[in-house]
Amino acid sequence: SQKIEQNSEALNIQEGKTATLTCNYTNYSPAYLQWYRQDPGRGPVFLLLIRENEKEKRKERLKVTFDTTLKQSLFHITASQPADSATYLCALDLGSNDYKLSFGAGTTVTVRA
Amino acid sequence: DTGVSQDPRHKITKRGQNVTFRCDPISEHNRLYWYRQTLGQGPEFLTYFQNEAQLEKSRLLSDRFSAERPKGSFSTLEIQRTEQGDSAMYLCASSLVGGGSYEQYFGPGTRLTVT
Repeated sequence: SQKIEQNSEALNIQEGKTATLTCNYTNYSPAYLQWYRQDPGRGPVFLLLIRENEKEKRKERLKVTFDTTLKQSLFHITASQPADSATYLCALDLGSNDYKLSFGAGTTVTVRA
Repeated sequence: DTGVSQDPRHKITKRGQNVTFRCDPISEHNRLYWYRQTLGQGPEFLTYFQNEAQLEKSRLLSDRFSAERPKGSFSTLEIQRTEQGDSAMYLCASSLVGGGSYEQYFGPGTRLTVT
């Protein structure tokens, strides 16, 4: 069956350090992978999209890698700040080229000042 | 603010009652999606519309769930004969398909509590 797994443990890091989150998937062949941020009680907010033919994508302090052989994406927050504290969700298209998304359970990141 | 809006933000209902939620997408978007999210989980896709056409409803959780988008603008999600297991956050999202972008823009959600 299809499965998307993110770091099961919450991540607690010191301000200024790099947070690295993992998204592994099985039985998908996604054309792209997206990362979203979700704050408590709010809807997810889009951060980055990486396509299957791209190895790495950057946006400000965020970096995403995508390895379709390993079926894994890594999401990095560099020079982390307390304002980065949130739950981060990875999402894959459901493979039928119709833009539907399947989400992982998310990883909660807490950045300590 | 021109983002996705949802109404109500919170709904408490008794088991067996019907509830209806409304979503107003970003006006220039042609796709509208409904998701359900339970505590500690990511959003779970339910159904979606391209303009007024409902393109998939096989992932709606049961025949008690139905969605409409009558004029291709706002959408409603109805749950009939609510059960305690329906308690969750119901999220709506919209996107513009065809312009090469894939990201979805989410509303703040409707938190449903069934007592």
